[in-house]
Amino acid sequence: RKEVEQDPGPFNVPEGATVAFNCTYSNSASQSFFWYRQDCRKEPKLLMSVYSSGNEDGRFTAQLNRASQYISLLIRDSKLSDSATYLCVVNPRPFLNTDKLIFGTGTRLQVFP
Amino acid sequence: NAGVTQTPKFRVLKTGQSMTLLCAQDMNHEYMYWYRQDPGMGLRLIHYSVGEGTTAKGEVPDGYNVSRLKKQNFLLGLESAAPSQTSVYFCASSYSIAASVSETQYFGPGTRLLVL
Repeated sequence: RKEVEQDPGPFNVPEGATVAFNCTYSNSASQSFFWYRQDCRKEPKLLMSVYSSGNEDGRFTAQLNRASQYISLLIRDSKLSDSATYLCVVNPRPFLNTDKLIFGTGTRLQVFP
Repeated sequence: NAGVTQTPKFRVLKTGQSMTLLCAQDMNHEYMYWYRQDPGMGLRLIHYSVGEGTTAKGEVPDGYNVSRLKKQNFLLGLESAAPSQTSVYFCASSYSIAASVSETQYFGPGTRLLVL
């Protein structure tokens, strides 16, 4: 089983739609969780951290479910500029006694007019 | 601030040739990392460094060497390139691990390497 698993997509949605991505992780002791965004042929960039209580940043909402070991990202009112690959990222410490991040393979989102 | 920069941006090598990828950061970060990204595989850690003069192996270190002689620079070397090393290489940096549980990594723009 992969340490971090995501549906690769692609998710093709019209502008204005709401779309949700899920990600599961295998290490129950994982401490930190993030969503990164990666545009085509560009580097990954932090979109948002994911907190236990859930957090929202504008049209983006991240949720963490520790019991089921999954993380979600909800995008409301999708824009064309949201088209990108969204990477689920987990920091498995302290179990592995390291701060190395584990990256999912990403979920591709394509927003069309 | 330039953030994290990488050189070169693109390179073509023949099997058996050697090369060095340079990563530089101007954020005074303690930690630096080298990843490779391949289709369907996600980002995989090659080597990392927790400070000047120290390096450690990541998930896929074979065929690569690294050096961190200066805090701001992290070099990735391929001694004898193989077609399996065709990939996109990303360098990243972050503050000291002790600073925050939720610390993020900042990535460079990547180096596309093709080994023929």
